Amino acid sequence: DQQVKQNSPSLSVQEGRISILNCDYTNSMFDYFLWYKKYPAEGPTFLISISSIKDKNEDGRFTVFLNKSAKHLSLHIVPSQPGDSAVYFCAASDIRNSGNTPLVFGKGTRLSVIA
Amino acid sequence: DVKVTQSSRYLVKRTGEKVFLECVQDMDHENMFWYRQDPGLGLRLIYFSYDVKMKEKGDIPEGYSVSREKKERFSLILESASTNQTSMYLCASRRAMSPLEQYFGPGTRLTVT
Repeated sequence: DQQVKQNSPSLSVQEGRISILNCDYTNSMFDYFLWYKKYPAEGPTFLISISSIKDKNEDGRFTVFLNKSAKHLSLHIVPSQPGDSAVYFCAASDIRNSGNTPLVFGKGTRLSVIA
Repeated sequence: DVKVTQSSRYLVKRTGEKVFLECVQDMDHENMFWYRQDPGLGLRLIYFSYDVKMKEKGDIPEGYSVSREKKERFSLILESASTNQTSMYLCASRRAMSPLEQYFGPGTRLTVT
């Protein structure tokens, strides 16, 4: 049973527009969330994170929003650039038990930014 | 900067061979992980280790084993490679306590023929 779901396997966006990637989770114990970006033939790289005490975290063109009541988070990329084309993974953890517990990953969303 | 290195970027092995994938991290991280990535299936956890000589099964441990004799090194072993183990293998490490970011190596593309 998937605890972290990314229901859109792929997304296409025009350059300069906003990209919105969505992620839903089922485990109410999750209180820390992360986004990773992965290019082909490379390992994932950490992008941005958010703790459940916040509902928004911003880093340059990237903003993550967290809606705890809906168990939903989203990653906004504004403006989108061709170099943002990659697979994006959402991940979650329960900080209180995090010491020896792996992150739980979604299956990823492939973003294509079209010039 | 955290550095996680993997012994090979590309590997081709024959069915039945024993395969060793090595991972080394240079940041004194306690936790280390092995994943495989397949199209449509995302990142699936094979094994992880939260300390030296400790290991825990992940979601898909069958056909794999691991070894962690030193803190910086975590090895994944395919006892008898099969074609369904053709995949991208990713190693990761992180500190046991916050922050929780895992740092990934570049991956090994393994093909079993």
